[in-house]
Amino acid sequence: EVVLTQSPGTLSLSPGERATLSCRASQSLSSRFLAWYQQKPGQAPRLLIYGASNRATGIPDRFSGSGSGTDFTLAISRLEPEDFAVYYCQQYETSTWTFGQGTKVEIK
Amino acid sequence: QVQLQESGPGLAKPSQTLSLTCTVSGGSMSRGDYYWSWIRQPPGKGLEWIGYISYSGSTYFNPSLKSRVIISADMSKNQFSLKLSSVTAADTAVYYCARGGGAGHFDQWGQGTLVTVSS
Repeated sequence: EVVLTQSPGTLSLSPGERATLSCRASQSLSSRFLAWYQQKPGQAPRLLIYGASNRATGIPDRFSGSGSGTDFTLAISRLEPEDFAVYYCQQYETSTWTFGQGTKVEIK
Repeated sequence: QVQLQESGPGLAKPSQTLSLTCTVSGGSMSRGDYYWSWIRQPPGKGLEWIGYISYSGSTYFNPSLKSRVIISADMSKNQFSLKLSSVTAADTAVYYCARGGGAGHFDQWGQGTLVTVSS
C-alpha cells in the first residue's frame, strides 16, 4: 500500500501570503493518479487538483499543483480568507485509493 | 451535474451491521467509467477509502476492511449501498459516498452522514 505523508501538519499564514504544501509518497507514483482536495469544517472534501497539476472545474488559478515520482506540491499563490481549510492529497494505484493525513492552513 | 446523497441510520450498536445507501441523481450510474465509492472520516481525523462498486458491478475493498464490507448497487434505482459488519466504536465516522473516475480522483461527493457506534 502506498503511504502518503503530508507536511507540515499545520501552516500558519496571513491572507495574501503564499502557501506551499507537500505530499510525499512511500513509492513512486504516476502523476496521473495524484489529486488534492480542500475540506472546510462540516463539509465534504472538494476536488482541487487532479493528475498532479490539472485544476478541477471552477477552481481559481491561484491554486496550482506540481511534482512527480514521490514528491508533490500544492501551492496557493495568495491566500484568500476562504482558503483557510484542511488540504488532503490522494493517490490511486491498482484499484486502491489512499489519502494523506492532511495539512491545516490556519490564519496567523 | 451529478449529485450524491447518503441516507441511513445515524446510530449503530456494537457488533451489529452498519447500513447506508447513496442515491445518485443527475446521471446514470451504469454509464461511464466510474467507481462509486464509500469513504469515511472519523471525527477530527483524516479520510479513509472503504471500497467501490463499478459501473459494471465489480467491487473492490480496502484490504483493512475487506472482511467486513459489502457494497452493492441497484442500477435501476441509481443507488448503491454499504454494509459494514461487526462494528465497534472505531467505526464511528462521517461516511461519504463519492464518484471516482478512471483517472483516480473523486470529483463528486455526497454531503456525508455521521454514524455513531454506541450501545
